[in-house]
Amino acid sequence: DTGVSQNPRHKITKRGQNVTFRCDPISEHNRLYWYRQTLGQGPEFLTYFQNEAQLEKSRLLSDRFSAERPKGSFSTLEIQRTEQGDSAMYLCASSWWENEAFFGQGTRLTVV
Amino acid sequence: DAKTTQPPSMDCAEGRAANLPCNHSTISGNEYVYWYRQIHSQGPQYIIHGLKNNETNEMASLIITEDRKSSTLILPHATLRDTAVYYCIVRASGNTPLVFGKGTRLSVIA
Repeated sequence: DTGVSQNPRHKITKRGQNVTFRCDPISEHNRLYWYRQTLGQGPEFLTYFQNEAQLEKSRLLSDRFSAERPKGSFSTLEIQRTEQGDSAMYLCASSWWENEAFFGQGTRLTVV
Repeated sequence: DAKTTQPPSMDCAEGRAANLPCNHSTISGNEYVYWYRQIHSQGPQYIIHGLKNNETNEMASLIITEDRKSSTLILPHATLRDTAVYYCIVRASGNTPLVFGKGTRLSVIA
């Protein structure tokens, strides 16, 4: 297994555009998490899935953000009408139940 | 989740033991102590976790005080590659996600 894979690694977009990120978890993991990290801060929890069910969403996840995990495998995180404040590293992690989570390398978003 | 307190930064000489402290004075009985680290430009990496007993694996040792209000992560022989931000997280079992603080920035110096 190659671990958690995130694509793209970098994304530059203009303010107001929509962006979508993809996360491929470790294949047998049933839980998938999304986090956001800005410079100098620890990762902030956004949302998580158990199989295809979205079980928890942070208040940070505004209505411009939507996440899906349609078949309980890969997940997408979409940000609509991007704002400069959305610039951050978006991290995905997966785990088998509440066992240790494995993180991907992240997608760095820059909104200009 | 219970809040944790960590020093913002620490230095350690290469080859020496690095001892990273963490206070979690409001920890509940069903909450575990987890340690992750994040090397620059990478995602966080799991190190170790424990409930009550001290734990050791190939990466580190975790010492939890008897009252469970604090813990120490020990890297026995720090190398330059151990330079990273280390996060101490308290987490209940079940459905709760990991909640990260700001961590401790460990610099290993040659």
